[in-house]
Parts: sequence; structure tokens; C-alpha cells
Amino acid sequence: AQTVTQSQPEMSVQEAETVTLSCTYDTSENNYYLFWYKQPPSRQMILVIRQEAYKQQNATENRFSVNFQKAAKSFSLKISDSQLGDTAMYFCAFMKHGIQETSGSRLTFGEGTQLTVNP
Amino acid sequence: ETGVTQTPRHLVMGMTNKKSLKCEQHLGHNAMYWYKQSAKKPLELMFVYNFKEQTENNSVPSRFSPECPNSSHLFLHLHTLQPEDSALYLCASTTAGAYNSPLHFGNGTRLTVT
Repeated sequence: AQTVTQSQPEMSVQEAETVTLSCTYDTSENNYYLFWYKQPPSRQMILVIRQEAYKQQNATENRFSVNFQKAAKSFSLKISDSQLGDTAMYFCAFMKHGIQETSGSRLTFGEGTQLTVNP
Repeated sequence: ETGVTQTPRHLVMGMTNKKSLKCEQHLGHNAMYWYKQSAKKPLELMFVYNFKEQTENNSVPSRFSPECPNSSHLFLHLHTLQPEDSALYLCASTTAGAYNSPLHFGNGTRLTVT
């Protein structure tokens, strides 16, 4: 079974600064996907960024980027130029490769990190 | 508009009540999910439906009964719940069999069992 650990229950950052959220995972799989989801007060889970484990290049999506260290099983999220709208709960998630072919995405989530961006 | 709509947004029910949560997706997806989100715990996958067929029941108590009449609608029927069932219930959908298809979530139903 896979586990995902987010060791930072809460973090805060000043507007326009950079913050990094950490995530580690445990798996015996070699092919998998990793995700960061954001859940603002509206409660909707929104996909922020994803990484395929077979890709060495770190994924980037505008102000969001990841530091994927496969050997260390680490997958941190960096938010640059933080904005007030980035205030949300952030969840790291893991999915085995190939599971989509049978039953669609099956994500294992971490406990989440509450990020507050201060003005 | 999220593409995945959940109703009601909030629900308070007694332990002897029977109620249902509804989820509807307008994204043309063929797989739908129920997740339970409790405070300070990871999201827990409850049920998976693929092409209207239940493909996974993650050891959920029988007081939760899912129903998927078609690929666009998903229900969660609730009866004789316990206070520890109070949580945010999230519905999600995706395209099974499509490479790299992410989950799309609804806004959830906040359930309080009294």
C-alpha cells in the first residue's frame, strides 16, 4: 500500500514571497503519478500540478513548480510570488500508473497543509 | 461552474434519519467516486463506479449505500448514521481508460450527524 505524508500541518507566507510545501511518499511501485491539489474555502479540490515519475524534469505550472526527488521519494511544491488567492489547504497525492485503465484515477492523499498568505 | 455539482451543500441529520447526497457531472466522464474528508485526516476513498458499475467498495459500512443510475449521476444514501460520520463528502469524476486524466471534484456536502 502507498502512503503519503505531509509533515507541515500549517504554513504561512507573506504576499509576493516564495513558499515550499513538503511531501514524502512510500511505495514499491516504479511507475506512478504525483499530484498537488488545492482546496480553498469554497471546498472544491483543484488540481495544481502533476508529475509523472518516469520524467526527470520537474513539472512547472506558472507560479507553481515541484522538486521531485524519486530516490528520496520526495515531492515538494514551490509557490513563487504568493498571492492572497493561494490561501488554501494543499494536498499531495499519489496514483499508481495503469490503474486508470481499469477504474480511473485512484488517488492516495496526504493529510494536507493549510497555507495562509498574509497581506 | 465546476462541472461537478453536489447537493445539498450542507446537511444536518439525526442518527435515525434517512437522507441522500447527490452528485452530477457534466464533463462526459465515465468514472465517479465518493471520498470522505474528515478533519486532520487524509481523504478516504469510499466507492468507485466505472461505467455505472461499482468497481470498488473501500470497506465502507453498510449504512452508506451508493447508487449510480447513469454515468452522469451518483448518489450516496445515508441511514442510521453515527456522529463519527460527520465529515465533508466529496464527489469526483474522471475518464477511465484515458491517459493522465485527472480527477475533477465537486464542492462537497458538509454532513453533520447529531
